[in-house]
Amino acid sequence: DAGITQSPRHKVTETGTPVTLRCHQTENHRYMYWYRQDPGHGLRLIHYSYGVKDTDKGEVSDGYSVSRSKTEDFLLTLESATSSQTSVYFCAISESERTWTSGRQRTDTQYFGPGTRLTVL
Amino acid sequence: EDQVTQSPEALRLQEGESSSLNCSYTVSGLRGLFWYRQDPGKGPEFLFTLYSAGEEKEKERLKATLTKKESFLHITAPKPEDSATYLCAVRPARQLTFGSGTQLTVLP
Repeated sequence: DAGITQSPRHKVTETGTPVTLRCHQTENHRYMYWYRQDPGHGLRLIHYSYGVKDTDKGEVSDGYSVSRSKTEDFLLTLESATSSQTSVYFCAISESERTWTSGRQRTDTQYFGPGTRLTVL
Repeated sequence: EDQVTQSPEALRLQEGESSSLNCSYTVSGLRGLFWYRQDPGKGPEFLFTLYSAGEEKEKERLKATLTKKESFLHITAPKPEDSATYLCAVRPARQLTFGSGTQLTVLP
């Protein structure tokens, strides 16, 4: 397994409360990603980071914020949790976004953490 | 709009019964197609990356192939431990787009 840990692994919280999920990597990879996985929707990108303090929005970023103050840690915050944010959250890392191989641009592989199951009541 | 469709949604096989999973995609400029395996309660585990039509990759009982419109994951003589959800993802211009997965059950 890639050196990725997520905490907590399970959390139950109430609507309106703030929640922070943590992703920690030991691979020194530049890129880190937060996804959510819901039945029927597959994995969807929330936010990603391409370096310390450098972040950008993904497909489903509304209601979420992120921070990355160190290479190894990427935090996902739900400022005021809602029931629609009940989901399984996965962190992923990649060494780069793209590489060049044989003169062609290739997408670098993303490796995933074990996930955090969040329930918002 | 970039789309990835996996079929079937669920597949039950007897041990040793070979079959294929399909991943159809419509993207503007493919920059990689990825296959992952996901066990219940765990994160996706990387299997293969394919970049060009005609490319093939193999790992144990799994073989992934790619055309301009779809990818197949062929499973030869599967075993119960191959039971999992198999996810396909494509990379167009910006970010990975995932399919909903095929849940494979291999019965002993």
